[in-house]
Amino acid sequence: SYALTQPPSVSVSPGQTASITCSGDKLGDKFVSWYQQKPGQSPVLVIHQDAKRPSGIPERFSGSNSGNTATLTISGTQAMDEADYYCQAWDSNTKVFGGGTKLTVL
Amino acid sequence: EVQLVESGGGLVQPGRSPRLSCTTSGLAFGDYAMSWVRQAPGKGLEWVGYIRSKVFGGTAEYAASVKGRFTISRDDSKSVVYLQMNSLKTEDTAVYYCSASFGELSYDDFWGQGTLVTVSS
Repeated sequence: SYALTQPPSVSVSPGQTASITCSGDKLGDKFVSWYQQKPGQSPVLVIHQDAKRPSGIPERFSGSNSGNTATLTISGTQAMDEADYYCQAWDSNTKVFGGGTKLTVL
Repeated sequence: EVQLVESGGGLVQPGRSPRLSCTTSGLAFGDYAMSWVRQAPGKGLEWVGYIRSKVFGGTAEYAASVKGRFTISRDDSKSVVYLQMNSLKTEDTAVYYCSASFGELSYDDFWGQGTLVTVSS
């Protein structure tokens, strides 16, 4: 079965750039979405179709996808961005989530 | 305002067969594929399955971990999607979220608040 791999944790200082990767076989051939989940809350879509931001998502969130790796980039990271982030792609009519990355802003 | 509200969770004995509901409002329900995603305590998101909109056949797909035990159905006249869970196991304990995506094999625009299902004797 298809698998997406994310680092368990990423740390960033306020105002710096955070990058969260998501790896999968030929992932660049698929569309990747990214979801943010804060403790006790439901996931929120922050990036879809590799690099598109839904309305209401700050411009500091961006995405890219090429080869075997998709990347979520948060520029000028703020304390409010501390959360778990999940990548997601479709493979053979199956929705696949990455294991999630805990972003710590310190 | 779009709202998805799950219900039907609670404490369930192993082997029982509860049904979860996800009642929606504020979206053109018939145009959306509806998914169920679960999250075990302290763990990541796990896709359970989804049901296509009628335009794309209205059929359902399931994760291997629940295939044959869980069934997703939808009532477009009521804007509700259901998750029938049979033969529950302790490892099915999780918060169950419903989500909505426009079109086919798309991203989840909207999520419910989740309902906790605890499987324990």
